[in-house]
Amino acid sequence: KAGVTQTPRYLIKTRGQQVTLSCSPISGHRSVSWYQQTPGQGLQFLFEYFSETQRNKGNFPGRFSGRQFSNSRSEMNVSTLELGDSALYLCASSLTSGFYNEQFFGPGTRLTVL
Amino acid sequence: KNEVEQSPQNLTAQEGEFITINCSYSVGISALHWLQQHPGGGIVSLFMLSSGKKKHGRLIATINIQEKHSSLHITASHPRDSAVYICAVVLQAAGNKLTFGGGTRVLVKP
Repeated sequence: KAGVTQTPRYLIKTRGQQVTLSCSPISGHRSVSWYQQTPGQGLQFLFEYFSETQRNKGNFPGRFSGRQFSNSRSEMNVSTLELGDSALYLCASSLTSGFYNEQFFGPGTRLTVL
Repeated sequence: KNEVEQSPQNLTAQEGEFITINCSYSVGISALHWLQQHPGGGIVSLFMLSSGKKKHGRLIATINIQEKHSSLHITASHPRDSAVYICAVVLQAAGNKLTFGGGTRVLVKP
């Protein structure tokens, strides 16, 4: 069974631009969650989607948004990029919503904002 | 004060030693996850606990809900156990958001 995939793996953008990251969950998994990891703040929860609905959202500004498609694939978008958005963005998939199942993480997308 | 605290932040052990990593949290939770992150960023889920104890190979995880504390033990440590170990809790009051500890960096020397 294929694991969680994320594209692209690396991305370089400049301030003010926007970016879209993609996450394909394990087949059969309907929950996708997104995380930001930085050296200063560690891992932080961005949002969780289940059956195309956002179920939960972390404490991030509205520039961070996401969506989930009917095939469970998910995208997250960051608009008006700031230098502080440079981070490793990870997604994880699981069978159901709510973090009561094992989470399967993708390899991450490393975003650099110049 | 962070809702999830891990100790120690860094740990160095000799191959074969018994390792314990601690995770304390200050609010009610409905579940706790232990994760392992190797250099390069990949994260692997080790355990999901809501009570008691779980064992997988050389890894043991325990949780005491009343004391708001969990431990991850590595028996007979090996250099391949060198990684960052992260505790994450599902906060009841926050509508089941996942909140992370700062991680424990473990180095096992041969």
